[in-house]
Amino acid sequence: QVQLRESGPGLVRPSETLSLTCSVSGVSLSSGGYYWSWVRQLPGKGLEWIGHIYYSRSADNNPSLQSRASISVDTSKNQISLKLNSVTAADTAIYYCARDTITHAMDVWGQGTTVIVSS
Amino acid sequence: DIVMTQSPDSLAVSLGERATITCKSSQSVLFRSNNKNYLAWYQQKPGQPPKLLIYWASTRESGVPDRFSGSGSGTDFTLSINNLQAEDVAVYYCHQYYTTPQAFGQGTRLEIK
Repeated sequence: QVQLRESGPGLVRPSETLSLTCSVSGVSLSSGGYYWSWVRQLPGKGLEWIGHIYYSRSADNNPSLQSRASISVDTSKNQISLKLNSVTAADTAIYYCARDTITHAMDVWGQGTTVIVSS
Repeated sequence: DIVMTQSPDSLAVSLGERATITCKSSQSVLFRSNNKNYLAWYQQKPGQPPKLLIYWASTRESGVPDRFSGSGSGTDFTLSINNLQAEDVAVYYCHQYYTTPQAFGQGTRLEIK
């Protein structure tokens, strides 16, 4: 059974870098077959795709984030990471990681982690 | 970029009745090489992550009750929920995964009348 668990600091100061980790269990990232996405949900709002990555390729990111997002994979730890630099209050959100099957959409999601950007 | 627009933003339906949510994409999400629409539907309940209901516009995810059905092709899609149950109260999102950046609709809040 595949499980995803997001972790990271719940509070980030404006202009700093938000760093989150998604720990994956039940499947090895290096076995391939899936992309891994980050999606966020602004308070009381809908869902925004941040980007995704395949373990052996570079990430695709949403241009709406103006190149502030960076997604990477650590196969030795079986983790996916998200870094979002120059954060503002507008980046306050619940951040989810999800398995992105490409053909079957996002079929497994983490519980999400709340990040508040505030001084 | 593809923009996804759902309607209505919210609706209230009586128990046992049918709920219908529509989703329109600004460009076709039909992949002609396999004739599949790269359109998914999710259900999100308060405090929970989204749950995949439907992919390829009309294929139910394993374990999803057959009260949920999806239809449509190209740019126009529908999620129907027959015999509405109390546990179906949630926000529903459509999602195009045809191309990047992937995009979600703004969500439709479903309540019991």
